[in-house]
Amino acid sequence: GAVVSQHPSRVICKSGTSVKIECRSLDFQATTMFWYRQFPKQSLMLMATSNEGSKATYEQGVEKDKFLINHASLTLSTLTVTSAHPEDSSFYICSAEYLAGGINEQFFGPGTRLTVL
Amino acid sequence: GNSVTQMEGPVTLSEEAFLTINCTYTATGYPSLFWYVQYPGEGLQLLLKATKADDKGSNKGFEATYRKETTSFHLEKGSVQVSDSAVYFCALRGNNAGNMLTFGGGTRLMVKP
Repeated sequence: GAVVSQHPSRVICKSGTSVKIECRSLDFQATTMFWYRQFPKQSLMLMATSNEGSKATYEQGVEKDKFLINHASLTLSTLTVTSAHPEDSSFYICSAEYLAGGINEQFFGPGTRLTVL
Repeated sequence: GNSVTQMEGPVTLSEEAFLTINCTYTATGYPSLFWYVQYPGEGLQLLLKATKADDKGSNKGFEATYRKETTSFHLEKGSVQVSDSAVYFCALRGNNAGNMLTFGGGTRLMVKP
């Protein structure tokens, strides 16, 4: 149980285009999902916290107009990278929160590698 | 604020060697502590966790003990395998941090046959 999927796993796009990444909790409902960004050989950096039915909370330094987050249902959150540029190339990972063993745990998706040419 | 510091890698070991990856943290109150593993090209998987002082998390031969007196959560395994090669992240969640995780920088483990 507690499986999180992401789609697509890899995407290559041209500079200036927009890319949408989906994060789904497959067998549980998640009121909260998180989006992270990971640069090569570095740790995860939290970009935003996504709550179902409300606006996402962005971390300092993350442009909310560039990284649009929509948490339309209890099983789906989407991250749209608008007007992508090469510096947006990165590994994007989502996680969904689930109550497991009495505490809330985050279960992570497999990640999406974005390459902007 | 909360922070996690773990030893820099890469750590290179021979198969069946003993593994220790150090992790120390700074947090107020009583955070929950986690170790995640990331295999190449994949997302993170929870390896083990501990939610209070002196708890020992264990899974797949890995262990870590929550030491509040030293604010540490070192990861250990008695005999590593080639399949353990991955990046390991120590993380904490504060009890007043809105369930956000704070990650260490990650430690790459390479196990040679």
